[in-house]
Formats: sequence, structure tokens, C-alpha cells
Amino acid sequence: AQKITQTQPGMFVQEKEAVTLDCTYDTSDPSYGLFWYKQPSSGEMIFLIYQGSYDQQNATEGRYSLNFQKARKSANLVISASQLGDSAMYFCAMREGGNYQLIWGAGTKLIIKP
Amino acid sequence: NAGVMQNPRHLVRRRGQEARLRCSPMKGHSHVYWYRQLPEEGLKFMVYLQKENIIDESGMPKERFSAEFPKEGPSILRIQQVVRGDSAAYFCASSLTGTGYTSSYEQYFGPGTRLTVT
Repeated sequence: AQKITQTQPGMFVQEKEAVTLDCTYDTSDPSYGLFWYKQPSSGEMIFLIYQGSYDQQNATEGRYSLNFQKARKSANLVISASQLGDSAMYFCAMREGGNYQLIWGAGTKLIIKP
Repeated sequence: NAGVMQNPRHLVRRRGQEARLRCSPMKGHSHVYWYRQLPEEGLKFMVYLQKENIIDESGMPKERFSAEFPKEGPSILRIQQVVRGDSAAYFCASSLTGTGYTSSYEQYFGPGTRLTVT
């Protein structure tokens, strides 16, 4: 079974609109962390935001926020006021308990239209 | 403070040749992880090393692939007798600690090495 599922292979969004990228996860470990990374066309992996399973509040980092719904096992990334530079691949990843491995989704390709 | 360094950034090899990918972790980091990204896919864990030790190589193909992290110098991912299916981006990450309770991101990624096998 897939541990991390990103159901949107690609998305087109108008500049300045908000965008939500979906991520659902599967784990039986009560302690885990969820991550979002951005991979622009240049290829590097850029950390965006983190949410711990015990965190009481949804994580926010500038224009990025994580809509964490624990009961639904979803951790959607919300980008407010999208910009052309947001066009990239976005990956959701999970780290379970004390494990060191990051488990990755297949990614969503986001294209921002001017 | 320099980040994780990987070289080369791009590597082209003919089938049957050897590929050596290097990773210098962040200063003070003694834990190194290698991930592979096939085209149009997310990253897949390959191996986790500490200085002079392989901790977990469960994601490494059984043949042709090896990794090391010597006491001095960078971590090396070595692929012998490369085949076209080895074409991928190989990312290295490093961390200050290894296992432990889940907290904020600890793995810092390098820019990756893109291997093309012709």
C-alpha cells in the first residue's frame, strides 16, 4: 500500500490565486512528521514546511501553510497568492517515529499561469 | 556555512562503465543518506551511513551498487557496470543526528547528481 499519495499529477493555477496540493498518508505509528519539498526545474530539493503528528496547530511558513487533518490522514499544502516562481514539482514526504527514512509521494507538477 | 555538496552535478556514462558520485555533508554532520529519483517519480531511499559504517542499505540494489562514508573525505555512491535503467537523479542528504523522536526537518539535501547512461 502507498504510504504517501499525491493524487494530482499536474495543476494549472492563475497567478495570484491560492492553490491547494493534496497529500494523504498511511501510518500506524502515532509519532510521525510530514514534510513538503519544492523541486524547481533546476532540480534541487527545497524544504518548505514541516508538521509533526503531535503539533496542535497547523504549520505556516510565509505563504505556505499546511492543512493538517489527522483523522483523515491528510496534509495538504496551501500556497497563498501564487507567483510565477512557484511553478515546480511539489513533493509530500513522511518520516515515521524514530525512523530516519523519508518516504516520498510521486509529486504534483504545479504550473502558474500569468 | 556550506550546505551539502554533491559532485559532479551531471555525469554521463556509457553502459558498462562505472559511476562515482560524491557527497560532502554539512559541517558537523556525520549521518548521510542517499536517495534516488527516477524520472517523473518521488525519491526512494537507498542507504544510510554514518562515518565508516553502513547502517541501513535496504533500499540499495543487491548488485552493482555500493556506498561508503570513510573517516576522512566524502561519502561515495558507486555504481559498477551501469545500465540505462540507472539513469536518474541521485540525492544525498545529511543530518546532525540519526534516529530519535520526530521533530523538525533534520535532513538537508544536496543539489543532486544527474546520471545519464548512454
